[in-house]
Amino acid sequence: EIVMTQSPATLSVSLGERATLSCRAGQSVSSNLAWYQQKPGQAPRLLIYGSSARATGIPARFSGGGSGTEFTLTISSLQSEDFAVYYCQQYDSWPLTFGGGTRVEIK
Amino acid sequence: QVQLVESGGGVVQPGRSLRLSCAASGFTFSSFGMHWVRQAPGKGLEWVALISYDGTNEFYGDSVRGRFTISRDNSKKTLYLQMNSLRTDDTALYFCARGSRELDNWGQGTLVTVSS
Repeated sequence: EIVMTQSPATLSVSLGERATLSCRAGQSVSSNLAWYQQKPGQAPRLLIYGSSARATGIPARFSGGGSGTEFTLTISSLQSEDFAVYYCQQYDSWPLTFGGGTRVEIK
Repeated sequence: QVQLVESGGGVVQPGRSLRLSCAASGFTFSSFGMHWVRQAPGKGLEWVALISYDGTNEFYGDSVRGRFTISRDNSKKTLYLQMNSLRTDDTALYFCARGSRELDNWGQGTLVTVSS
């Protein structure tokens, strides 16, 4: 299975600042990568698919990039509602696998 | 709007079985692949299984293959997960989700606790 590694585990950011989250795949997944946001007590929500395409209704401050084994999720200007845990997921091969998550907290 | 509602969770002893259901509405269920994903308490997400839109293809995570079976009834717009030989490390919140690869809509989950 493809191991997905996210860094950092926790990211402390001030409101209005930029946040950059990283995700590394153990082998190439092409652009078959998605990002999800999960808030406490809620189900995950799809943010990005195909490495860089925003899902329906996702604000433009969220952007994704990368291909192969290195990916990033950038939140251009943190809003209060963006503090959450973020997961990457590869869907290039079976079994599908998730990264361990990055918690974005208020600095 | 898309709605996915899981049910069937509960407390079960190790070695026993349980069947989860996920009732879908707000979209053409028979046109979409469907997943189960789980999350142990305080932990990250673990993908469990996928079934294709017509039920002809199934894929499983390594930790559940041979013990869990995913199925669907398109006439009832319902997804199932039959879980056999349950272990304590199967304790988790189980989500159903729509999609073939990326998961674009999720239910709120049903909690399964495996304990003696």
